Amino acid sequence: DTGVSQDPRHKITKRGQNVTFRCDPISEHNRLYWYRQTLGQGPEFLTYFQNEAQLEKSRLLSDRFSAERPKGSFSTLEIQRTEQGDSAMYLCASSFQRGAIKINTGELFFGEGSRLTVL
Amino acid sequence: AQSVTQPDIHITVSEGASLELRCNYSYGATPYLFWYVQSPGQGLQLLLKYFSGDTLVQGIKGFEAEFKRSQSSFNLRKPSVHWSDAAEYFCAVGAYSNYQLIWGAGTKLIIKP
Repeated sequence: DTGVSQDPRHKITKRGQNVTFRCDPISEHNRLYWYRQTLGQGPEFLTYFQNEAQLEKSRLLSDRFSAERPKGSFSTLEIQRTEQGDSAMYLCASSFQRGAIKINTGELFFGEGSRLTVL
Repeated sequence: AQSVTQPDIHITVSEGASLELRCNYSYGATPYLFWYVQSPGQGLQLLLKYFSGDTLVQGIKGFEAEFKRSQSSFNLRKPSVHWSDAAEYFCAVGAYSNYQLIWGAGTKLIIKP
């Protein structure tokens, strides 16, 4: 079990550029979440995958954000035309949950995050 | 609106002293409650969780939390803190029918030697 890994750990980009983050969850985990965290705040939910299906997306997420989990394994989060307000830590978490209930009753395993700075 | 409030942005305690971190929630459904810890340079780690049953739950690293429905609170406690407990602590709440968790803003714990 190598844990949840995220890449890159840090990304500095200019406003208007596109960025992509990758998350490799724990291999047997069927659930994957993306969160965003800014300084002094708790994580803010962005989107959720069960296997390869994106089942929930935050209403706060603009159409510049897109996420995929093509084979139910790794996931990517792309931000197009970045803005300074996108500067944050992007967190990925995974878990294994049996059945169809929505709440995750077990532990979410978080990666160390990808820090984005938009100049 | 659903929300989680951690009233203390930061708390300083002496090593060996007891600790209580406060968490209040506002949630229409039956809540599922969690405490996570975030150490510098590390990912968030689950300390403990409450779904039902005994309102006093035990977690890892000697932490415990008590659910008080009448006060909408889920405070985290530890009888004697260690320097390694210095970190940021987050309370989160979910419901049976939700995928996402609602998180508090966190409390940063500082340990005085």
